[in-house]
Amino acid sequence: AQSVTQLDSQVPVFEEAPVELRCNYSSSVSVYLFWYVQYPNQGLQLLLKYLSGSTLVKGINGFEAVFNKSQTSFHLRKPSVHISDTAEYFCAVIGDGGRQGNLIFGKGTKLSVKP
Amino acid sequence: KAGVTQTPRYLIKTRGQQVTLSCSPISGHRSVSWYQQTPGQGLQFLFEYFSETQRNKGNFPGRFSGRQFSNSRSEMNVSTLELGDSALYLCASSLRGGNQPQHFGDGTRLSIL
Repeated sequence: AQSVTQLDSQVPVFEEAPVELRCNYSSSVSVYLFWYVQYPNQGLQLLLKYLSGSTLVKGINGFEAVFNKSQTSFHLRKPSVHISDTAEYFCAVIGDGGRQGNLIFGKGTKLSVKP
Repeated sequence: KAGVTQTPRYLIKTRGQQVTLSCSPISGHRSVSWYQQTPGQGLQFLFEYFSETQRNKGNFPGRFSGRQFSNSRSEMNVSTLELGDSALYLCASSLRGGNQPQHFGDGTRLSIL
């Protein structure tokens, strides 16, 4: 069975500092990975996706992620965060290598950016 | 291009009642998926519809059901509501499901009294 583990439930960071949100996955089939962000009282917004190709994936709002097959990781990072990046971030994998359309989510990481 | 629209945004029901939530996908998207989000269980997949057919189902009791119409709009129904059904219900659409990115609505917040 596939699963996603987000290693940190909360990450506090100061404004303009770099940040990395960690995500590990477990899968025996083809992997399609996503990062989503959720602001308070809103749905999920897609930040970036890895379907194939380059292991460095660029997303919106200055975020990027690195797919590492050998370490089964897909960590999200941003070189300089803003107050507006305060939100909850979810890593997800598509079930059954894409044969099923369901997303399997990690428990989320709450990013808190302090001035 | 309009995003995924979910109605209503908030709903308050009592135990034993039933509820219907609505989702209008992005124009041209034929796959609609539903998820339940709670503080304890996180985000869990309910079911996926494609071309009016349920294609995939999560591990939820039969009280949770859904359907999709010919215009790809979808509804989900929960019967005999329980306190534990209090959650944010999120709808997501994609072009055709599979490994396609899913785009989410803002959800319906359901509270059971």
